[in-house]
Amino acid sequence: DAGITQSPRHKVTETGTPVTLRCHQTENHRYMYWYRQDPGHGLRLIHYSYGVKDTDKGEVSDGYSVSRSKTEDFLLTLESATSSQTSVYFCAMSTSGSTGELFFGEGSRLTVL
Amino acid sequence: EDQVTQSPEALRLQEGESSSLNCSYTVSGLRGLFWYRQDPGKGPEFLFTLYSAGEEKEKERLKATLTKKESFLHITAPKPEDSATYLCAVQGLRYSTLTFGKGTMLLVSP
Repeated sequence: DAGITQSPRHKVTETGTPVTLRCHQTENHRYMYWYRQDPGHGLRLIHYSYGVKDTDKGEVSDGYSVSRSKTEDFLLTLESATSSQTSVYFCAMSTSGSTGELFFGEGSRLTVL
Repeated sequence: EDQVTQSPEALRLQEGESSSLNCSYTVSGLRGLFWYRQDPGKGPEFLFTLYSAGEEKEKERLKATLTKKESFLHITAPKPEDSATYLCAVQGLRYSTLTFGKGTMLLVSP
């Protein structure tokens, strides 16, 4: 039992199309995060959520939006995908906002052609 | 702005050859420093939290230490299964979110 799962795990899409990545957790954790990981960069925070309908921007939020209508689900949407958004996206969760102990999903590899 | 620099970028060791990975950081007040392990194609896995200078944490062949400017991840007598990318992250007092370094890719050959 993974506790946190991401879908889809792989996706290829074309520039200009909308894309939604889903993160689902079964641990009832309050905090959830979306990161992207690219060669030559560390993990960079896109958006995070500290409760249902409570979200905030991270370091690289331009071009992304998020929604959290239920504790267990955190959605990341690219309204109009661009090639610069080709990346591996990781969802993570934590028990509180003051801890750096995050539990990560397996990642979603997105390719924008 | 919080910053994390990890070195070396890549490290190749023979099985049993001990070494250390470095994580240098600048942060406006340190809340915590964190080490993660990431296997290829997987998400990072939490290893350690360090809160104050002088603190040490151990797990099997790994030991993490912390000073006011850097952290070391010491690997004693590594095995091939220790091969992974090791990530360092800091959490400052000003912002609750983590700032990650780019990681050190460790390869341990039998």
